[in-house]
Amino acid sequence: DIQLTQSPSFLSASVGDRVTITCRASQGITNYLAWYQQKPGKAPKLLISAASTLQSGVPSRFSGSGSGTEFTLTISSLQPEDFATYYCQQLNAYSTFGQGTRLEIK
Amino acid sequence: QVQVEQSGSEVKKPGASVKVSCQASGYTFTNYYMHWVRQAPGQGLEWMAIINPSRGATSSAQKFRGRLTVTRDTSTSTVFMELSSLRSEDTAIYFCARGSAVATYGALDVWGQGTIVTVSS
Repeated sequence: DIQLTQSPSFLSASVGDRVTITCRASQGITNYLAWYQQKPGKAPKLLISAASTLQSGVPSRFSGSGSGTEFTLTISSLQPEDFATYYCQQLNAYSTFGQGTRLEIK
Repeated sequence: QVQVEQSGSEVKKPGASVKVSCQASGYTFTNYYMHWVRQAPGQGLEWMAIINPSRGATSSAQKFRGRLTVTRDTSTSTVFMELSSLRSEDTAIYFCARGSAVATYGALDVWGQGTIVTVSS
C-alpha cells in the first residue's frame, strides 16, 4: 500500500499568514493527488485535484503543486474560515489519505 | 443538483453486520465511481473501497477484505456498503463520495452527509 505522510501534523498561524503543508508519498504517484478541507462535524470538501487543479468555487489563495512523491498545499493569506483540518489523498493505486494537518489560529 | 444521500445512524452489537446505503441524484449514476471512506472519533480519514456502478466491480483496502461488501442497485442509483463481524474499532462516521468519471483517475468531489455507526455491547 502507498503511504502518505503529511507535515506538519499541527500548525498554528495567524490571519494573513502564508502557510504550506507537505504530503510525501512512499512511492511515485505521478499527479494523482487531491487535497481536502474538513471542518468539525462536516464532510470533507475537495479543494484541489490532480495535484494542482483548483476546484470551482475554491478561493485562489489555495494552490497545490508537486508530482511524483512530494506535494504541497499553500494558502497564500490565511482567512478566518481557513482554520480547519487538511488531508491529502492519493488515487494512483487504490487510495489512501494522509494523517491530516490541523490548522489552528495562533 | 448533484448530491448523494446516506441512510441514518446505526447501533450494532459486536459481531453483527451493518449495511449503509448511499443514493445518488442529479447525474448519471453509472458514469462515476463511488467511494467509501470512514472516520473514527477524533481520527483522520480512512479510505475503504471503490465501486464502478456500471459494471459492479469493486476494490477495497486490504484491511477490510473478507468482511466488506460493496454493491449497487442501478434501478435506484444506490450504492450499499456492508461491513460484517463488527468490533468496537469500527465505530465511526461512514461517508460515501462520488469519484471520477469511470475509466479516469480523479478525486472525490461530492460527499454524503455521513452515517454514524456505533458498535457497542
